[in-house]
Amino acid sequence: DIQMTQSPSFLSASVGDRVTINCKASQNINRYLNWYQQKLGEAPKLLIYNANSLQTGIPSRFSGSGSGTDFTLTISSLQPEDVATYFCLQHNSWPTFGSGTKLEIK
Amino acid sequence: EIQLQESGPGLVKPSQSLSLTCSVTGYTITSGYDWSWIRKFPGNKMEWMGYISYSGSTNYNPSLKSRISITRDTSKNQFFLQLNSVTTEDTATYYCARYSDYFDYWGQGVMVTVSS
Repeated sequence: DIQMTQSPSFLSASVGDRVTINCKASQNINRYLNWYQQKLGEAPKLLIYNANSLQTGIPSRFSGSGSGTDFTLTISSLQPEDVATYFCLQHNSWPTFGSGTKLEIK
Repeated sequence: EIQLQESGPGLVKPSQSLSLTCSVTGYTITSGYDWSWIRKFPGNKMEWMGYISYSGSTNYNPSLKSRISITRDTSKNQFFLQLNSVTTEDTATYYCARYSDYFDYWGQGVMVTVSS
């Protein structure tokens, strides 16, 4: 199976900061990488699909980049409502997940 | 609006079977997509368990293949998870979700504890 290494596991940043979260695949997954946001007690929400496509209704401050084995989720200007856990998912083969990044406001 | 809702017992004894239902509203499960089960363990590790397609074919995580079965009732627009011979390591929050290159609609999740 394809292993997804996500970093950092915890992130504390100030409102307005640029935030980046990374996922590294154990082998080439092309652009078959999605990013999700999960707030406490809620279902996960799809943010980015196929590495860099913004899901409908998601604010433009969220963006994704990368291909092959290295991927990044960027929040250009952190907002209070962005407090959540973020995780990546690859679907080049049967789906596997990153370990998650817990994002808090400083 | 498409909604998925998991239901089932919150406590299962070791060696028994875990059975969950996902009820789907706002979309007919035979119209398209793959209908998946995913679980999140304590400590936040997530695992895709398998899916049943709109046509009724199934695909399972190889690590679970000997213990898992996903079926459906098209008349009720529901699909089901059965996981056999559970251990305490199957304690997790179980989610159902719609899949086609990405999981776009998820249920709220149901917490299942395996304990005697």
